[in-house]
Amino acid sequence: SYVLTQPPSVSVAPGQTARITCGGDNIGSKSVHWYQQKPGQAPVLVASDDSDRPPGIPERFSGSNSGNTATLTISRVEGGDEADYYCQVWDTSTDHLYVFGTGTKVTVL
Amino acid sequence: EVQLVESGGGLVQPGESLRLSCAASGFTFRSSEMNWVRQAPGKGLEWISYISTRGSPKYYIDAVKGRFTISRDNADNSLSLQMNDLRVEDTAVYYCAREAPGTSMALDAWGKGTAVTVSP
Repeated sequence: SYVLTQPPSVSVAPGQTARITCGGDNIGSKSVHWYQQKPGQAPVLVASDDSDRPPGIPERFSGSNSGNTATLTISRVEGGDEADYYCQVWDTSTDHLYVFGTGTKVTVL
Repeated sequence: EVQLVESGGGLVQPGESLRLSCAASGFTFRSSEMNWVRQAPGKGLEWISYISTRGSPKYYIDAVKGRFTISRDNADNSLSLQMNDLRVEDTAVYYCAREAPGTSMALDAWGKGTAVTVSP
């Protein structure tokens, strides 16, 4: 199966930049999507197709994807950005067509 | 406003059945591919099933194939998940989610979820 590996946690001070990585075999050849999930809430799509921002998502959220690593970058981090973040790709090689990453907890110090 | 509202969760014993429903509003449901995604307590997201706009094809993860059935009623703007022979490991919050149009299989709208607990 296709595996997406994320760091369990990332800590960042307010106003600084958080970078969340998503590692996968040749992930650069796939389209990567990113979700933010706050405690007790449903996930929210914050970036699609590597670097597109859905309506209503601040420009502070940006994505990139190359080689074996995709990255979600959150600039000028705010307290409200504290959440779990998941990457996701579409992969037809196994039964898990929508593959989610392991998730990263972003803590704002 | 796009809205998805799940219902039907609850506490059941192993081997029992549940039917989850998802009511859609605020968008053209019949034109949207739909999915079910679950999240076990304290764990990550796991996609479990997909249904195309007209009801076929359907896809499932191996762990639920033969036990779960996804269906939709485009006239009623509703999505369902019939879950039979439930197991302890099916315990999770179940979300319905819409595939984002114009993207490569992103999910741009999610319900708040309905909790399923399978316990002896």
